[in-house]
Amino acid sequence: EPEVTQTPSHQVTQMGQEVILRCVPISNHLYFYWYRQILGQKVEFLVSFYNNEISEKSEIFDDQFSVERPDGSNFTLKIRSTKLEDSAMYFCASRARMEAGGPSDTQYFGPGTRLTVL
Amino acid sequence: AQKITQTQPGMFVQEKEAVTLDCTYDTSDPSYGLFWYKQPSSGEMIFLIYQGSYDQQNATEGRYSLNFQKARKSANLVISASQLGDSAMYFCAMREGATDSWGKLQFGAGTQVVVTP
Repeated sequence: EPEVTQTPSHQVTQMGQEVILRCVPISNHLYFYWYRQILGQKVEFLVSFYNNEISEKSEIFDDQFSVERPDGSNFTLKIRSTKLEDSAMYFCASRARMEAGGPSDTQYFGPGTRLTVL
Repeated sequence: AQKITQTQPGMFVQEKEAVTLDCTYDTSDPSYGLFWYKQPSSGEMIFLIYQGSYDQQNATEGRYSLNFQKARKSANLVISASQLGDSAMYFCAMREGATDSWGKLQFGAGTQVVVTP
């Protein structure tokens, strides 16, 4: 069964460093998302990406964040200068193109990358 | 205002019993989708079940069913015949807008379910 994959599973970094979180969405999906979950809190939307551009972003997704689809398979989230409050689990999700019938707008999540900023 | 409200922070349920997890939502959009995800202690988010706002019947997926009461704006998840492996955090989520919208999900705070032998 196709699945979303994410690397690394855990990233530890020093405050102020840049990190890149990587995701490989399901191969025939066209819509891509990043969410984050601070420990013990709800999952929060960061950004959606379609047709090689950001379609929607939240207030959290400030200038320190960027996303990219550098090739046909990877989808990355970059945090330029990490802060302590960026420590969280980051989830990538993907959604299929629209099809007639069925829950085609279901988002399938990757296993997450736990980011720890020291 | 909260878009998704899950009022039960935690629940204990005995193995083989059914459990209902509450979810209420707030939207003025006539077109929306409701989702339930399971998050075990390992952290991944597993899709369980989907209900569209125009769906006439309640969604079912194996032991999971969704009790959709549109007028009350509730979308409760029912897990029948609970198993030890059902112990996890459960999140209700909503996507507002038509299915061709960008589709961001808004999540509730979650309900921690512990299944006991």
